[in-house]
Amino acid sequence: DQQVKQNSPSLSVQEGRISILNCDYTNSMFDYFLWYKKYPAEGPTFLISISSIKDKNEDGRFTVFLNKSAKHLSLHIVPSQPGDSAVYFCAASDSGGSNYKLTFGKGTLLTVNP
Amino acid sequence: GAGVSQTPSNKVTEKGKYVELRCDPISGHTALYWYRQSLGQGPEFLIYFQGTGAADDSGLPNDRFFAVRPEGSVSTLKIQRTERGDSAVYLCASSLTSGSNEQFFGPGTRLTVL
Repeated sequence: DQQVKQNSPSLSVQEGRISILNCDYTNSMFDYFLWYKKYPAEGPTFLISISSIKDKNEDGRFTVFLNKSAKHLSLHIVPSQPGDSAVYFCAASDSGGSNYKLTFGKGTLLTVNP
Repeated sequence: GAGVSQTPSNKVTEKGKYVELRCDPISGHTALYWYRQSLGQGPEFLIYFQGTGAADDSGLPNDRFFAVRPEGSVSTLKIQRTERGDSAVYLCASSLTSGSNEQFFGPGTRLTVL
């Protein structure tokens, strides 16, 4: 059973437009969420995170929104750039329990077209 | 500074053979993690070290898998009697402390079992 779900395997957007990547989770114990970006032949790199005490966190062009009641989070990238093309993984952890253990979704391949 | 490094980057072996995968964490990081990423999936937790000891090895799939970190720095993941289903990218990550949710990943070792 997948505790973190990214239902869109891929997303294609035009340069300059907004990219919205979605993530759902089922484990109500999760209270810390992260987004990682992965280029081919490289390891995932940390992008942005959010604690469950917040509903929004912003860092430059990247904003993560958290809707706890819906167990849903999303990553907004605006404006999208061709260099943003990568696989994006949503991950979650339970800071009260195994806070070291990240549970990942399957990822969404984002392609930003020039 | 240097990031997490993993060697080899690629390993091809035959079914039944023994393999060792090495991880050099970021200097000063006390926590180290191993994940496995199968094709089309997100990384899945295998084992977590705090210092020299394995604090949680609940993600290891069976007793053919073993990992050590004898001096609290470099770690080796060992797989005995490899099977074709072990083929995956093995990712290592480290973090400054066990309570740090931001884990820094290495590029991974792609293991192919023929």
